Amino acid sequence: DVKVTQSSRYLVKRTGEKVFLECVQDMDHENMFWYRQDPGLGLRLIYFSYDVKMKEKGDIPEGYSVSREKKERFSLILESASTNQTSMYLCASSPSGISYEQYFGPGTRLTVT
Amino acid sequence: GENVEQHPSTLSVQEGDSAVIKCTYSDSASNYFPWYKQELGKRPQLIIDIRSNVGEKKDQRIAVTLNKTAKHFSLHITETQPEDSAVYFCAASKGGANNLFFGTGTRLTVIP
Repeated sequence: DVKVTQSSRYLVKRTGEKVFLECVQDMDHENMFWYRQDPGLGLRLIYFSYDVKMKEKGDIPEGYSVSREKKERFSLILESASTNQTSMYLCASSPSGISYEQYFGPGTRLTVT
Repeated sequence: GENVEQHPSTLSVQEGDSAVIKCTYSDSASNYFPWYKQELGKRPQLIIDIRSNVGEKKDQRIAVTLNKTAKHFSLHITETQPEDSAVYFCAASKGGANNLFFGTGTRLTVIP
């Protein structure tokens, strides 16, 4: 059974704080993704990584950075949190090759006050 | 980039009726079209997918159809049950690093 876990289910931070969201998968997947989910906007891709130390910008990378030092771990960093980054953040992973299914983590609901 | 549009945003049906959700995509190079179901408070999970070399795929009460010429694909749920109530997302991908471009979601409510 694929497991994707995220470090926190709920997080409250203040404006200007540096925020780390961590995601770990246990299936040796090459690809990992960070999305944010907002009502009426669906899932929007922030960043993805197809290998260790490799990263690519998604649709909305502004205000975010990522780190992938180990294959199983993909971190999302908010350098200086702002209120418009209040959202649900979902991590996902998938194997490379022809299987495209993405396996999602439980999500982190981040509130920036 | 790819643009996926999904309709309707909300859908209510009586238990036992059918539900249809439609999506369109913009990039003719897209070749993989999954559907994810997200129950309240839970993570999205893949329920069915279709590749561009297939026009229709069925899995019990769920089916997906693809019209490559018109660039649209649809999810059909027959004999709906209350446990089908959820938000459904369509997506499109060109493969590669498996980037998925998601639609904005459809909240389906099945009324007992």
